[in-house]
Amino acid sequence: GDSVTQMEGPVTLSEEAFLTINCTYTATGYPSLFWYVQYPGEGLQLLLKATKADDKGSNKGFEATYRKETTSFHLEKGSVQVSDSAVYFCALSGTNYGGSQGNLIFGKGTKLSVKP
Amino acid sequence: DTGVSQDPRHKITKRGQNVTFRCDPISEHNRLYWYRQTLGQGPEFLTYFQNEAQLEKSRLLSDRFSAERPKGSFSTLEIQRTEQGDSAMYLCASSPDTFYRDTQYFGPGTRLTVL
Repeated sequence: GDSVTQMEGPVTLSEEAFLTINCTYTATGYPSLFWYVQYPGEGLQLLLKATKADDKGSNKGFEATYRKETTSFHLEKGSVQVSDSAVYFCALSGTNYGGSQGNLIFGKGTKLSVKP
Repeated sequence: DTGVSQDPRHKITKRGQNVTFRCDPISEHNRLYWYRQTLGQGPEFLTYFQNEAQLEKSRLLSDRFSAERPKGSFSTLEIQRTEQGDSAMYLCASSPDTFYRDTQYFGPGTRLTVL
């Protein structure tokens, strides 16, 4: 079945460092891909998304490109801030022979801590 | 747009008791989803509704779990005869039934602790 694998954390960076969180997926159809963020004590928030190959999603300085050839959707940010400390989840929309089912399939999450 | 709301935010219960959670989706969203998240894991899909119809249920949704959305607006998730393994965060999400149906917006969750 469809699945998402993302790099295990925790990831600890200094402020202004470059961030990459790797995400790869397995899907039988053509899913949309998402990054969600969960700040301490809060619910999941949509960070960015991409709906087809070569699309780039971006928001708040974060970017991710839908790479069909490598089945990847890596999250990047050029200069992280302390306020970016959170858990980041990669997800895909469940597919069924090319159609979209109702569910999202999530990775296990990567905890990011940014030190001043 | 007030976002997805869930009630209660926290629930502590004893094993064997029944519990019910409520979710109010974003008002114009026809699709409503329930997920469960345990510590250190990503959310796992439980079920989803389009309007009042329950269109899909995960194998994770045992017979002790039941979800309803009687008028196509708010939804309830009931767990009967709770077990310690049911302790988790229960998340609700909603999305429009349009081209953007894949984009789900999550509520703050209900944290269930079964003693």
